[in-house]
Amino acid sequence: DTAVSQTPKYLVTQMGNDKSIKCEQNLGHDTMYWYKQDSKKFLKIMFSYNNKELIINETVPNRFSPKSPDKAHLNLHINSLELGDSAVYFCASSQEWSVAHEQFFGPGTRLTVL
Amino acid sequence: TQLLEQSPQFLSIQEGENLTVYCNSSSVFSSLQWYRQEPGEGPVLLVTVVTGGEVKKLKRLTFQFGDARKDSSLHITAAQPGDTGLYLCAGGTNAGKSTFGDGTTLTVKP
Repeated sequence: DTAVSQTPKYLVTQMGNDKSIKCEQNLGHDTMYWYKQDSKKFLKIMFSYNNKELIINETVPNRFSPKSPDKAHLNLHINSLELGDSAVYFCASSQEWSVAHEQFFGPGTRLTVL
Repeated sequence: TQLLEQSPQFLSIQEGENLTVYCNSSSVFSSLQWYRQEPGEGPVLLVTVVTGGEVKKLKRLTFQFGDARKDSSLHITAAQPGDTGLYLCAGGTNAGKSTFGDGTTLTVKP
């Protein structure tokens, strides 16, 4: 069983479109994250949710809106996509948000905006 | 902003050689993780260190957390092609946030 899964794996779309990426974890973890990894492989946190509540919101354009229907799911919706949004987006989860920060990552979604 | 700098950024060695990757910061972290990421996949956790001066061994990999909990090193003995990948360190704070280093890309040639 996949611990953290994301769909789709690849997403190619035109500038200006709206798209969503879904994430699910079956680890029973309380905390979920979205990261963006750029072409230089730098991994930057975007959002963190703990028990469906937003706890970290880095400086991310408000075109990005996370939604957590339950603590096993954290989806990412992106409006009005721009060329600079092209990157690999990773979902991750951890048992809790306070200590150790051991995170389990999904396989990533490669977003290409044309 | 807490920054984690890794060195070297790129490392290409022959199978059987030893290597050390460094992860440095001016900030103190409550814990530090090392991950390995292979192409097309997400990072996979290798180890967590929490105590200043702590040393952990995972087969041929040795991880050390600096005494002041600001830096860490990863030493690989007798590297193998299967060790090839992107190595990322990540520092955690009690505010529930992890900051990732800029990564070290390791290539081990057979």
